[in-house]
Amino acid sequence: AQSVSQHNHHVILSEAASLELGCNYSYGGTVNLFWYVQYPGQHLQLLLKYFSGDPLVKGIKGFEAEFIKSKFSFNLRKPSVQWSDTAEYFCAVNGAGSSNTGKLLFGQGTTLQVKP
Amino acid sequence: DVKVTQSSRYLVKRTGEKVFLECVQDMDHENMFWYRQDPGLGLRLIYFSYDVKMKEKGDIPEGYSVSREKKERFSLILESASTNQTSMYLCASSPAVPRKNIQYFGAGTRLSVL
Repeated sequence: AQSVSQHNHHVILSEAASLELGCNYSYGGTVNLFWYVQYPGQHLQLLLKYFSGDPLVKGIKGFEAEFIKSKFSFNLRKPSVQWSDTAEYFCAVNGAGSSNTGKLLFGQGTTLQVKP
Repeated sequence: DVKVTQSSRYLVKRTGEKVFLECVQDMDHENMFWYRQDPGLGLRLIYFSYDVKMKEKGDIPEGYSVSREKKERFSLILESASTNQTSMYLCASSPAVPRKNIQYFGAGTRLSVL
């Protein structure tokens, strides 16, 4: 069965701490991978994406993610978090083949709370 | 900037009422989606549409229907609202082009069914 699993449901960090949010997926074939973020009271917005090429992708606001195909993982990282990074983070996947309908399969989400 | 507009931010309805949630996008996107967002469950796809009058069931279509009469508008219908449909509903749109079909989301409608 297709699935996306985010291991951490709620993470609390102090400012300047490093962040790593785990994401593992089960999905047949070649995949596209995404991290979306939802700041309090705001729209869900794209943080970064992987379609192909360099497995280390950089996104907005200093975030990056590494696609490790052998581990079916796409973990999100940031070296030093800020209070403004407090948000809910979602990992998502869809198929990259010709039958790609654009549908996304989302993980359960991780709530990040950064203490000033 | 892509804009996906959902008609209401908050709605309160009674059990058994018919509920319409409206979504409009202004980027001429072919694909449109309805999700519900619940704590601990992430986003779950209810229905999506890849063209006018075309629709496909998502993962949790029971109790919902959709309508897409115009390309820019995608409506979610709760035929007879129930308390277990209390949730945040998110609409999204994306172009159909593979590898460019990033989804853009609306602000969401928080629906309470009493």
